[in-house]
Amino acid sequence: GESVGLHLPTLSVQEGDNSIINCAYSNSASDYFIWYKQESGKGPQFIIDIRSNMDKRQGQRVTVLLNKTVKHLSLQIAATQPGDSAVYFCAERAGNTPLVFGKGTRLSVIA
Amino acid sequence: NAGVTQTPKFQVLKTGQSMTLQCAQDMNHEYMSWYRQDPGMGLRLIHYSVGAGITDQGEVPNGYNVSRSTTEDFPLRLLSAAPSQTSVYFCATKDSFNYGYTFGSGTRLTVV
Repeated sequence: GESVGLHLPTLSVQEGDNSIINCAYSNSASDYFIWYKQESGKGPQFIIDIRSNMDKRQGQRVTVLLNKTVKHLSLQIAATQPGDSAVYFCAERAGNTPLVFGKGTRLSVIA
Repeated sequence: NAGVTQTPKFQVLKTGQSMTLQCAQDMNHEYMSWYRQDPGMGLRLIHYSVGAGITDQGEVPNGYNVSRSTTEDFPLRLLSAAPSQTSVYFCATKDSFNYGYTFGSGTRLTVV
């Protein structure tokens, strides 16, 4: 069936470096994508989203890139900080269906 | 404005016991949903509701019941708990204008 997945289950980066978290999706009908951050013991928090009519969207220190040709989504975090350490989930939806979540990538920031 | 409130935060049940996980929101969101989170499995949808009186099944509905009598509340019922239902449960809501969900802080359930 259709699914959302992640290339890397864990990612370790040095403080101050840029982080890139990748996500592959298989549902060609997906038209909305979103990234969540989940800190230990907390619920997921919205980071940034993008619709399928866009290739790139920027927020504060974060950028989401969407490549519909290869069904790939990435989250870039600039100047990674210790507070960025968390599990990051991508999620997608097609039309008005519920969000489907990937399995998550754990980002560890090394001070 | 409390957002999405889940109670209890922690619960231990014996196999066969029943209980209700509560989810309340004060944002007047029409859409509410329940997810379970297991290690290595990500978030999986159990049930969801697009408004009062309307519910639908998600990916993993077996063993769970829901009802939506008001806009504010969306309780999740376990009629006969099983060890396979040991998980962290999240309630998530959404308004009509935005696509992103607002999550509660979760309920950690252990069934022994």
